Amino acid sequence: GENVEQHPSTLSVQEGDSAVIKCTYSDSASNYFPWYKQELGKGPQLIIDIRSNVGEKKDQRIAVTLNKTAKHFSLHITETQPEDSAVYFCAATQGGAQKLVFGQGTRLTINP
Amino acid sequence: GAGVSQSPSNKVTEKGKDVELRCDPISGHTALYWYRQSLGQGLEFLIYFQGNSAPDKSGLPSDRFSAERTGGSVSTLTIQRTQQEDSAVYLCASSFSSSGLAAHGEQFFGPGTRLTVL
Repeated sequence: GENVEQHPSTLSVQEGDSAVIKCTYSDSASNYFPWYKQELGKGPQLIIDIRSNVGEKKDQRIAVTLNKTAKHFSLHITETQPEDSAVYFCAATQGGAQKLVFGQGTRLTINP
Repeated sequence: GAGVSQSPSNKVTEKGKDVELRCDPISGHTALYWYRQSLGQGLEFLIYFQGNSAPDKSGLPSDRFSAERTGGSVSTLTIQRTQQEDSAVYLCASSFSSSGLAAHGEQFFGPGTRLTVL
């Protein structure tokens, strides 16, 4: 089955700097890769996703890149702000199915 | 419109008791998922319902766990004879799924039910 590894587990950056979170996956048939943000006491919320027919996607300060050959994808947040502090999860589909397999999460802290 | 709702928000129970957790998905969403999140951990897939198809139960950790989805809408996750290791946040999500590469609609999550087994 699919295995998703996420690094780092914690990340602390100065406000205004960039943050990068990386994930690898094992199932070459995976075709959908969402990123979720989870704030304390709330359910995860989708912030960006990418499908296997695209190498990069950008939405304002957030971008995701996908390298299908190496089976890894990354989240990039630029010009970080205090409200970006949260736990971020990457996920990948198990093959072409609907089921998502999640990484272990990255606790991102933005220092003012 | 309303998002995914879950009830109760918190549940404290004694070891050995049965519990029922409820999920109300977004109206019109065809797919419904249950996940478990232990403290400081990622999300562990439990079960997935898609329309009238048989559910994918491959993530249920034991036969003490079961779930049903009535009328293609509300879902109930039942844990029988609860154990302390069942303590976690149980998250429900729903999505509108079509077919092909665009089949993976965004999963919208509820706020979760925090289950504590004493």
